[in-house]
Amino acid sequence: DTAVSQTPKYLVTQMGNDKSIKCEQNLGHDTMYWYKQDSKKFLKIMFSYNNKELIINETVPNRFSPKSPDKAHLNLHINSLELGDSAVYFCASREQGGAPQHFGDGTRLSIL
Amino acid sequence: KQEVTQIPAALSVPEGENLVLNCSFTDSAIYNLQWFRQDPGKGLTSLLLIQSSQREQTSGRLNASLDKSSGRSTLYIAASQPGDSATYLCAVRPHNNNDMRFGAGTRLTVKP
Repeated sequence: DTAVSQTPKYLVTQMGNDKSIKCEQNLGHDTMYWYKQDSKKFLKIMFSYNNKELIINETVPNRFSPKSPDKAHLNLHINSLELGDSAVYFCASREQGGAPQHFGDGTRLSIL
Repeated sequence: KQEVTQIPAALSVPEGENLVLNCSFTDSAIYNLQWFRQDPGKGLTSLLLIQSSQREQTSGRLNASLDKSSGRSTLYIAASQPGDSATYLCAVRPHNNNDMRFGAGTRLTVKP
């Protein structure tokens, strides 16, 4: 009964490939996020989706595209992977208003 | 632009000590502030959420305070235990904005 689940947990792939990371939340939350945590452990927001509407895109390259088939899912698709994309990517969700965010366990992406 | 700083970057204490982790933010106009815990290779676990109208929140051995005017929050951990060893992250949600800004975290080690 995991609240926010991401798959895969680990992803190792070669530069130039296209890959997707899936995220699902069973909390009924309205807003979902994608964060990137770099090697220095600094978390930066990438995207926010509220009722299928993109709210925030923090200067992320257009090789990254979030896709939300429904309110419970926010997948992250990455084209033409680069070495600098190696990081841990976290999905999160939140109710409306001032509610706390709930995070998934992360997907560790390694580019060879 | 909101910047969040956490001091110290790392802290090592013997078991049983009370300790304080610090978080400062540059823009006092915030919606709320959230403290998280991150264990190695894991996602973030929400510890405490303080709304902008509140001054503190408590959960068990944890107490978080908020002083918006000075742009500071502290996380107080009483009677620390080895199981408290983790990285503690502070995140600020700016007013009327979905975005959350994270500090770089404080890595806490509690020695038995």
